[in-house]
Amino acid sequence: SSELTQDPAVSVALGQTVRITCQGDSLKTYYATWYQQKPGQAPVLVFYGRNNRPSGIPDRFSGSSSGNTASLTITGAQAEDEAAYYCNSRDTSANHLVVFGGGTTLTVL
Amino acid sequence: EVLLLESGGGLVQPGGSLRLSCAASGFTFRNYVMNWVRQAPGKGLEWVSSISNSGGSRNYADSVKGRFSISRDNSKNTLYLQMNSLRAEDTALYYCAKDRSGISETTAEFDSWGQGTLVTVSS
Repeated sequence: SSELTQDPAVSVALGQTVRITCQGDSLKTYYATWYQQKPGQAPVLVFYGRNNRPSGIPDRFSGSSSGNTASLTITGAQAEDEAAYYCNSRDTSANHLVVFGGGTTLTVL
Repeated sequence: EVLLLESGGGLVQPGGSLRLSCAASGFTFRNYVMNWVRQAPGKGLEWVSSISNSGGSRNYADSVKGRFSISRDNSKNTLYLQMNSLRAEDTALYYCAKDRSGISETTAEFDSWGQGTLVTVSS
């Protein structure tokens, strides 16, 4: 199956901009989907498709994609954005399957 | 409001079986692909299985293929995961997740998640 690679940890100063990346061959074909997970809670969908943010997700969250790399950008990070972020996509090596990245823990300083 | 409530987790010995359930409400269950995703303690998310809205198409991660079986009862708005030949590495919190789209196969866009049910495989 395909793999999606994320940096294990990223930090950002309060109010600054941070980009969380996700790399993998499947991203040449499919858009990444992004989830936020806070400790002890279920994941929450924060961005999907080319340019879609679910209702209730702040507009400081945005996504982009280029080649085999997808990015989730938080513009003006807030303390409440401290969480683990996961990307996923359809798996091109085996259709109808799904692959997740290993997750990025974001620390807001 | 979409609600997904998992149940059926617990402690089981290696080689044993469990059946997880996920009771859905707040949306037209029969119209959506549904998924199971698991998370081992302190680890990341791992997709386990998906089932089409009718139940006619089912897909599995290689790690569980041949041991786990996904099913659904649209008359009861309930998703199931039958887990057989359980191993220590199956220990995880198992989440039920709704696909965002109503097409017949997973989009990998999971817009609603339950709170999970914990499965522990240990002797």
